[in-house]
Amino acid sequence: NAGVTQTPKFRVLKTGQSMTLLCAQDMNHEYMYWYRQDPGMGLRLIHYSVGEGTTAKGEVPDGYNVSRLKKQNFLLGLESAAPSQTSVYFCASSYSRTRTGGLGQPQHFGDGTRLSIL
Amino acid sequence: AQSVTQLDSQVPVFEEAPVELRCNYSSSVSVYLFWYVQYPNQGLQLLLKYLSGSTLVESINGFEAEFNKSQTSFHLRKPSVHISDTAEYFCAVSPRSYNTDKLIFGTGTRLQVFP
Repeated sequence: NAGVTQTPKFRVLKTGQSMTLLCAQDMNHEYMYWYRQDPGMGLRLIHYSVGEGTTAKGEVPDGYNVSRLKKQNFLLGLESAAPSQTSVYFCASSYSRTRTGGLGQPQHFGDGTRLSIL
Repeated sequence: AQSVTQLDSQVPVFEEAPVELRCNYSSSVSVYLFWYVQYPNQGLQLLLKYLSGSTLVESINGFEAEFNKSQTSFHLRKPSVHISDTAEYFCAVSPRSYNTDKLIFGTGTRLQVFP
């Protein structure tokens, strides 16, 4: 049982390049999330998904796009990378509140992708 | 809107000393409360959570936190820390009214335990 797996673990890009970060979970979770972590700022939500085929914007969505074509995968795309997007990116997943009787559930996190934009 | 404040960015303590990491939140609706721990070069792991019921919650490794509704706080405590507790600790809230479990995080507190 791998939990939440992120690929790649490290990447260096040049300004203007594009790339896709992949998140895969094997826990049959309905909800998935992408966060970025920057020093002194904690984690901030970029985009999230409440189910296959649905996505929504979080706190800092500009410059990113996402897709959830399969329940177990959540992709984060950078179309034209900028130095301000240098960060550590975390994917997380959780059960839906419908499944848990309305109670909030903790999120399970991957180990992160460290991305540097030069 | 919700916000989470962790006033202490760093907390240095000696091994076997007690520690308290402070967390205050602001929200116009009821929230669920969480503490996550992040060890170096790893993702976040759930430490403990308050969903309902007893306001004092405990983790398996000796940490505890108490939900204080009147003070809108969820401080994390441990009576005797170990070197292995050195990590960054994040307090987070999730509004009960949402249909997702979006988390709003504090900026984190780095706990450094010295021998």
